[in-house]
Amino acid sequence: QKEVEQNSGPLSVPEGAIASLNCTYSDRVSQSFFWYRQYSGKSPELIMSIYSNGDKEDGRFTAQLNKASQYVSLLIRDSQPSDSATYLCALSSTGNQFYFGTGTSLTVIP
Amino acid sequence: EAQVTQNPRYLITVTGKKLTVTCSQNMNHEYMSWYRQDPGLGLRQIYYSMNVEVTDKGDVPEGYKVSRKEKRNFPLILESPSPNQTSLYFCASSFSGAVYEQFFGPGTRLTVL
Repeated sequence: QKEVEQNSGPLSVPEGAIASLNCTYSDRVSQSFFWYRQYSGKSPELIMSIYSNGDKEDGRFTAQLNKASQYVSLLIRDSQPSDSATYLCALSSTGNQFYFGTGTSLTVIP
Repeated sequence: EAQVTQNPRYLITVTGKKLTVTCSQNMNHEYMSWYRQDPGLGLRQIYYSMNVEVTDKGDVPEGYKVSRKEKRNFPLILESPSPNQTSLYFCASSFSGAVYEQFFGPGTRLTVL
């Protein structure tokens, strides 16, 4: 059983601040890592994918992966009220299965 | 428009009455998957399929069946639904395998009385 742990929050940040979302996982052979955003009542949508150690930036979003520490994070710079959602950390195994965390609820306060 | 569709979007049924939730994608994706989402438990994978006629169990397959007879379709079958299968169900697809981004359908909210 692969475990993906996230702080459920809620995490509140003021508009314009940096939001930091964290995720740890228990399986050392996990290969691919993803951050999804899910608005209330909607389906998840991909924010970032990351496959190797280090940072990956896409606009206001930066994903960080540290496989030795089994840790993946998502930074959202210049947070906007429209970023208010639940953020899901996910990983995939060599067996093509996906595992999701329970999500962190983020609220950006105008 | 590239999309994953699910039907029905909402379903209320009774214990033991067989039902099928359909899933279809128009992106020629090889990989398709079903998830259920429950409060406090997150998204859990039920079954996945790498291609036509190839299906595998996810983390929570008990009480569910799937089939993949065509590349675009991946129906979820509950032959004898029980109240503990009340949940929000998502179908998803990706180009090939779990390395690639998954695109999710709009979800099906199922209530079993």
